[in-house]
Amino acid sequence: GIQVEQSPPDLILQEGANSTLRCNFSDSVNNLQWFHQNPWGQLINLFYIPSGTKQNGRLSATTVATERYSLLYISSSQTTDSGVYFCAVEQNTNAGKSTFGDGTTLTVKP
Amino acid sequence: DVKVTQSSRYLVKRTGEKVFLECVQDMDHENMFWYRQDPGLGLRLIYFSYDVKMKEKGDIPEGYSVSREKKERFSLILESASTNQTSMYLCASSLRLAGGLAGLPDGELFFGEGSRLTVL
Repeated sequence: GIQVEQSPPDLILQEGANSTLRCNFSDSVNNLQWFHQNPWGQLINLFYIPSGTKQNGRLSATTVATERYSLLYISSSQTTDSGVYFCAVEQNTNAGKSTFGDGTTLTVKP
Repeated sequence: DVKVTQSSRYLVKRTGEKVFLECVQDMDHENMFWYRQDPGLGLRLIYFSYDVKMKEKGDIPEGYSVSREKKERFSLILESASTNQTSMYLCASSLRLAGGLAGLPDGELFFGEGSRLTVL
């Protein structure tokens, strides 16, 4: 099956710093999403981004489907950005079933 | 906004008990999913459903069953709970983009708040 690798596994930042999280996948995909898991465990949708670039406030994401990677940018990080960030992909041959990466754990220190 | 609601945030059950986890979505989504999340193992798909009364096994269906009698509700059932089923359970739903045919892409996935189950 498809492999989804996220890097780095852990990231510690000071408040106000910028960061880039990466998601590599081993095969072509139809869909790609980025999620933030909050301290209570809920997965919050950040971006639905099979290709191209999107921005939402301090967050933006870029997916280059032909090169099989996606990047999540967090600018001017805040302590509330802390948590685990997941990338999930769906393949045409496995429609409806998403494969998740292992996540990047972000800690933003005040 | 899409809302996916899981019936219980925290449950504590005893080994051998029958456990029901309920999930309801309010956006008329065709697809619904149950995942479990464990430290070091990530999110793993247990079962999913493309439509009412339909169910498909995910990657780890053993020890679980599901029920989808109505489009908005997808239930996960542990017939006889065991300690290795202690986990965080996450329900999700998505819209079917292409009119219901398998092999075609689906829409954005939305998750509920999660249910933390402890089996003693």
